[in-house]
Parts: sequence; structure tokens; C-alpha cells
Amino acid sequence: GNSVTQMEGPVTLSEEAFLTINCTYTATGYPSLFWYVQYPGEGLQLLLKATKADDKGSNKGFEATYRKETTSFHLEKGSVQVSDSAVYFCVSSEFRGNQFYFGTGTSLTVIP
Amino acid sequence: EAQVTQNPRYLITVTGKKLTVTCSQNMNHEYMSWYRQDPGLGLRQIYYSMNVEVTDKGDVPEGYKVSRKEKRNFPLILESPSPNQTSLYFCASSHTRGGQETQYFGPGTRLLVL
Repeated sequence: GNSVTQMEGPVTLSEEAFLTINCTYTATGYPSLFWYVQYPGEGLQLLLKATKADDKGSNKGFEATYRKETTSFHLEKGSVQVSDSAVYFCVSSEFRGNQFYFGTGTSLTVIP
Repeated sequence: EAQVTQNPRYLITVTGKKLTVTCSQNMNHEYMSWYRQDPGLGLRQIYYSMNVEVTDKGDVPEGYKVSRKEKRNFPLILESPSPNQTSLYFCASSHTRGGQETQYFGPGTRLLVL
């Protein structure tokens, strides 16, 4: 079946530190992969996505590369800011599917 | 402004009292979905709809009903709520049913069932 496993939090970093949040997936087919971000008190919004192997999604300084050989989609940012404090969800879906599979979320707090 | 709206945002109710959470989108999206978010479990899909009058179960449909009579609306119905349905609920929509599509989420409805 399909599932997503992501790094447990919470994660606390100092401003300008390097961020990595690990995400691995299992799928029966060829999933699309997403990172969504949830700011406090808000709904989720798309951060970046990749729809095929070796694609790199990027947005707002965040990057993630679709690695089929390791079934991973790790989120990285070179220098985090206080405004990046949020919960991050790794998500997979089948290309022609109707269902989406969420990781448990990783809470990130960036301190000045 | 393109958005997904949910009402109410907060709701406290008692066991067994039927309730409806409304969801509406103004983007002419075909696909709509309901999720519940619980600590340590992430988001789990309750029901989804690929178009008007087409709905299907997600991973956790027990105790919930949905309907899709109009393209823009996708209400979530709890016929007889129980305390284990206390959760944060999100509605989402996307342009088509494809798994590569970006979903747009509503602001969430926090439900407490006593």
C-alpha cells in the first residue's frame, strides 16, 4: 500500500541554520510527491512538488528532490528564518489516483 | 479571491446531535476532499469527490457522510457524532482528480464532541 514516513519533530533551529526534514514513501505505482506547510492557525498550503523521478521542486528557498532509488523526498533549506516556523507535511499520491497520503508532520521552530 | 471556505470554524456539540460542516470553493474545481487531522497521525482522508454526484470513501469514512450536489459545495455530515470524532477537519479542492494536482485547503474546522 501507500504510506509516507517523515522525520519526527519537533525541530528547533537557530536562524540561518541548515534545515533537513527527511521523508520516505512507499507506493504501488509512480507517485507524485509534495511538501505542504501549515502556519499556526491556518490551513495547509503547497510549498513545492515533484511529479517524476529526479525532479527537483523548489520554492521560497526550500528544495526537495524526488529520489526513486531511495524512495525519498527530503526537504532542505540552506538558511532558515523565524518566519519558517510551521508544521511541514510530506505527501504522496498516485499519478492517476484520487487519494493522498500524508506524513505525520514535522513541527519546526526557528529561534532568533 | 480564490479560496476554500469552511463553516463553522469552531464547534462544540454533544454525542448524537447531528451536525454539518460546510465547504465551498470558488475556483470551479472538480475534485474536493475532506480530511481530519489528529496529533501524531497527520491528515487522513475521509471522503473525496471527483465531480458532482461522484463521491468515494477515503481511509477513515466510518461515521461520516458527504454529498456533492453542486460543483462548489461539499458538506461533511456527522449523523451521530461521537467523542472519537473530536478533531480538526480540513476541506480541500483541486482542479482535476489527478494525483499530481495541487490541493487548496480551507482554514479548518475544530470540532469537539462531548
